[in-house]
Amino acid sequence: AQSVTQLDSQVPVFEEAPVELRCNYSSSVSVYLFWYVQYPNQGLQLLLKYLSGSTLVKGINGFEAEFNKSQTSFHLRKPSVHISDTAEYFCAVSSPGGYQKVTFGTGTKLQVIP
Amino acid sequence: SAVISQKPSRDICQRGTSLTIQCQVDSQVTMMFWYRQQPGQSLTLIATANQGSEATYESGFVIDKFPISRPNLTFSTLTVSNMSPEDSSIYLCSVEINYGYTFGSGTRLTVV
Repeated sequence: AQSVTQLDSQVPVFEEAPVELRCNYSSSVSVYLFWYVQYPNQGLQLLLKYLSGSTLVKGINGFEAEFNKSQTSFHLRKPSVHISDTAEYFCAVSSPGGYQKVTFGTGTKLQVIP
Repeated sequence: SAVISQKPSRDICQRGTSLTIQCQVDSQVTMMFWYRQQPGQSLTLIATANQGSEATYESGFVIDKFPISRPNLTFSTLTVSNMSPEDSSIYLCSVEINYGYTFGSGTRLTVV
């Protein structure tokens, strides 16, 4: 069975500072990895995904994540955050291939402080 | 990516009643997924709906409580039956396009 751990439930950071949201996964097989963002009172939006290939994945809104197989991690980073990045971020994992069940982490609330 | 229209966006319902949530996709998809997000928690998969066959339910979810219809490749409904306050959640539908999952904007259900 697969699982995802997001160690930080809340991350406060000042505007224009860098941020890293941590995600670790557990799986006995190869995985696809995802980061989603949920703005207040909205649905989920895909930020980026890792399927294979380059371990550094670039997504929308200036976010990027790095797949580290040896550490089973997929941390999300942004060099300079904006107020508009305040949201909840979910890391997720699935088995490779289409139409696979996706398992979500518990989420990290990013609070950008002016 | 696909565009998903989900409705209603929110509802307040009396306990013991049922609510049907609709999900319309702007392209044909093989499978549609229904999730629940309880207050302050992450997403939990309820079931997977494949057109032309019965939905597959995850552990802890049953068809009598959450019947699903999938009449064609662009549409699905989820019914929350005999509701209780514990069913107060956000319900989301999702489809997979190019190994990435797109979500509807969700239905925020409050049971009183």
